[in-house]
Order: sequence, then C-alpha cells, then structure tokens
Amino acid sequence: GEDVEQSLFLSVREGDSSVINCTYTDSSSTYLYWYKQEPGAGLQLLTYIFSNMDMKQDQRLTVLLNKKDKHLSLRIADTQTGDSAIYFCAEILTGANNLFFGTGTRLTVIP
Amino acid sequence: EAQVTQNPRYLITVTGKKLTVTCSQNMNHEYMSWYRQDPGLGLRQIYYSMNVEVTDKGDVPEGYKVSRKEKRNFPLILESPSPNQTSLYFCASSLGLAANEQFFGPGTRLTVL
Repeated sequence: GEDVEQSLFLSVREGDSSVINCTYTDSSSTYLYWYKQEPGAGLQLLTYIFSNMDMKQDQRLTVLLNKKDKHLSLRIADTQTGDSAIYFCAEILTGANNLFFGTGTRLTVIP
Repeated sequence: EAQVTQNPRYLITVTGKKLTVTCSQNMNHEYMSWYRQDPGLGLRQIYYSMNVEVTDKGDVPEGYKVSRKEKRNFPLILESPSPNQTSLYFCASSLGLAANEQFFGPGTRLTVL
C-alpha cells in the first residue's frame, strides 16, 4: 500500500513560522490535503492542493508541493497557541476511491 | 446543523462480544468511510462506501463489517472484537471524494479487554 510519512513532533515559539513536512511514495496522487485535529475532536480540512499545482496560499497557510521529490509541506505563518494540534497530510491516488493519511505531526506552540 | 454523529463515544467491552458503532450524517453525502487512529500510525481506512449498497474495503478491513442500507447511516460492526481492535474510530462523510472536504465525526474510543 501507499506510504505517507510525517515527523511525529514539532515545537515552535509563538509568532514564529511552523513548517510541517510530508513525504509519500506513490507519484500518481491527484489531490493532497492537510487536516487539523484538535484535542478530543475529529479532523477538519485546512486546505488542499491539486497535483498539477506547486503552491497554494490561504491566509497564514502556504502549501508547497514538490512532485519530483514526492514532498508536501504546510507552512503556518505567525503561529499561535491555537494552532497547537495534530496535523495530517492525506492524498488520493489516481483511480482510487479512498484517502491515504500520514502518521500525523503533533505541533506544540510555546508561548 | 450539518454534522456527522457517532455512538457511542466511549465503549469498553470484552473479547468476542459483538458490537456496533453507529454513524449518521445529515448532509445527504454519498461517500462515507470509517477510519481507526492509532498512535504513530495515523489514520487508516477500514471500509468506505461510495453510495447506498456500495461498500468496499480500505487498508485494514479484517475483523470489521459495514453496511449502507440508507444514505445517512453507515454502521461499523465488530462481530468478535479482539484486543488489537482497541483504538479510536472515526466516521467521515463527503459529497464525493476528490476535492470534497471529508467531514469527520467526534470519534469513538473503543477498548476491548
């Protein structure tokens, strides 16, 4: 099956930028997503990018996609304590009917 | 309010005792799925359904069953639960797949003793 990997933990200081990374193995992705999971809750979609795009910006969020290296990143500018959560990348492969999720990165924002 | 509901939210049971976790959505979504979340493994898909009476296996279907008799409901059935099915379970729904956002339920924490 598809492997989607993320670092498990990331700590940043409030006000700094956070960069959460994701690597995947199957190059036939069509859509790639970032979801946020706050403590005790389900996942919420933050943003997504179509595989023919290199970058997408949405307010404080910037998504970068490097298809050659099979690498996806999420940059959060001016990170706030409310951004503390687990972040999951996910992808859909061409012809597939299901999502593959990464292992999740727990972001801790230090005041 | 548009939402995905799951019941129960917490369940402690014993090995071999059949259980059902219900999932219901009120958004007329066609696509529904079940995931389990385990530390260090992220979310893994158990089963999904593209529409009524259409279900298919995800990555980790062993030990689980599902049904989709109505569009709004997608129950997860564990016929003979085992301790390795202790996990946090999420139901999700969306209009389709692709660019559509998946809406997640609040989760069901299951412990099998």
